[in-house]
Amino acid sequence: QKEVEQDPGPLSVPEGAIVSLNCTYSNSAFQYFMWYRQYSRKGPELLMYTYSSGNKEDGRFTAQVDKSSKYISLFIRDSQPSDSATYLCATSGGFQKLVFGTGTRLLVSP
Amino acid sequence: GAVVSQHPSRVICKSGTSVKIECRSLDFQATTMFWYRQFPKQSLMLMATSNEGSKATYEQGVEKDKFLINHASLTLSTLTVTSAHPEDSSFYICSARDVGSGISTDTQYFGPGTRLTVL
Repeated sequence: QKEVEQDPGPLSVPEGAIVSLNCTYSNSAFQYFMWYRQYSRKGPELLMYTYSSGNKEDGRFTAQVDKSSKYISLFIRDSQPSDSATYLCATSGGFQKLVFGTGTRLLVSP
Repeated sequence: GAVVSQHPSRVICKSGTSVKIECRSLDFQATTMFWYRQFPKQSLMLMATSNEGSKATYEQGVEKDKFLINHASLTLSTLTVTSAHPEDSSFYICSARDVGSGISTDTQYFGPGTRLTVL
């Protein structure tokens, strides 16, 4: 079993839709949770960071962490074609090394 | 803030040659930098952790004599692929941890990546 599981997609939605991206993890020691966005042939860009359980909102993006079920989510409201990218969840137990999901490819059509 | 650059962005070389990739943190100091490798449509694979002023820590299965890492300053780490072969062709990405960010000791900022093609 991988430490972090993420559906690779692709996930196709029309412009304006609400997008839900999810990951599950197995290690209960993980405390730090991040979402990165990666455009094709580019490095990942940090979108959201969350510590422990709870929600965090930043503009159209909301990150949720449920440590009891080991489930992390990223919601994108009013999705735009420019949101089309691969979204990577990442987590860590506080020892610097990040564990990444495989990434979900999102396609937002105009 | 938190900008990481990589140079070159793309390199094509002949088999048997060595290639050096630079990773720089432009607006912050990074005591720790990381080197990843990414194959098409796959996630990032951590190759090594680079600490300023000390030897890099390599992940299991990564040949330290083939992938030489040097972290000589708080803003620069280099990865040298020695005697490159076609199977080394990949997308290499570095990241850096912002010591003074106060956000999280685990938050990493990534460079734009270097695409290596070995003929």
